Amino acid sequence: NAGVTQTPKFRVLKTGQSMTLLCAQDMNHEYMYWYRQDPGMGLRLIHYSVGEGTTAKGEVPDGYNVSRLKKQNFLLGLESAAPSQTSVYFCASGRNREVLGEQYFGPGTRLTVT
Amino acid sequence: GQNIDQPTEMTATEGAIVQINCTYQTSGFNGLFWYQQHAGEAPTFLSYNVLDGLEEKGRFSSFLSRSKGYSYLLLKELQMKDSASYLCAVFRGSTLGRLYFGRGTQLTVWP
Repeated sequence: NAGVTQTPKFRVLKTGQSMTLLCAQDMNHEYMYWYRQDPGMGLRLIHYSVGEGTTAKGEVPDGYNVSRLKKQNFLLGLESAAPSQTSVYFCASGRNREVLGEQYFGPGTRLTVT
Repeated sequence: GQNIDQPTEMTATEGAIVQINCTYQTSGFNGLFWYQQHAGEAPTFLSYNVLDGLEEKGRFSSFLSRSKGYSYLLLKELQMKDSASYLCAVFRGSTLGRLYFGRGTQLTVWP
């Protein structure tokens, strides 16, 4: 099993450009999450999904959109990138509600917005 | 909101024991989780506590006191590879299952 994979691994965008980050998991997990990690700030939840076709806002959702059309995929979109969105983005998945705190993380996407 | 506090940095020597503390203030508490994150890598799950007491997993143990809003991660027989950031996270089931992370404790193990 590949676990949780993310594409791309690195990306440089110019202010105003758009892009989509793809997360895929092959563990048949219901729950999926998008976090961003900035120095000194820890992991902050952007959006999450409790099942196919559902999404919910996390702590820092502004400037991002998500979609979960298939159970195994969770997409994070930036419609108009800003320098404040320079960060490392992690996707994670969780098995079921009873052990949701045990999340499996992808390797991360390092995004720089100039 | 959630207030999760843990020390920013700690250092220790190989073979020693280190305790990383975490305090939290939150409503709807359902569990306390610890993650390890090596530089440039993704966080990986270490342990969790739902009830008060000590949970032991090999060289790592985690303790929880819900009445005090306090947890610690105990690392024994430290090895160089234990140099990493340790993230404390509170799980709140009342919000559809979310983890709230502290800012992490950067542990450096010296030879």
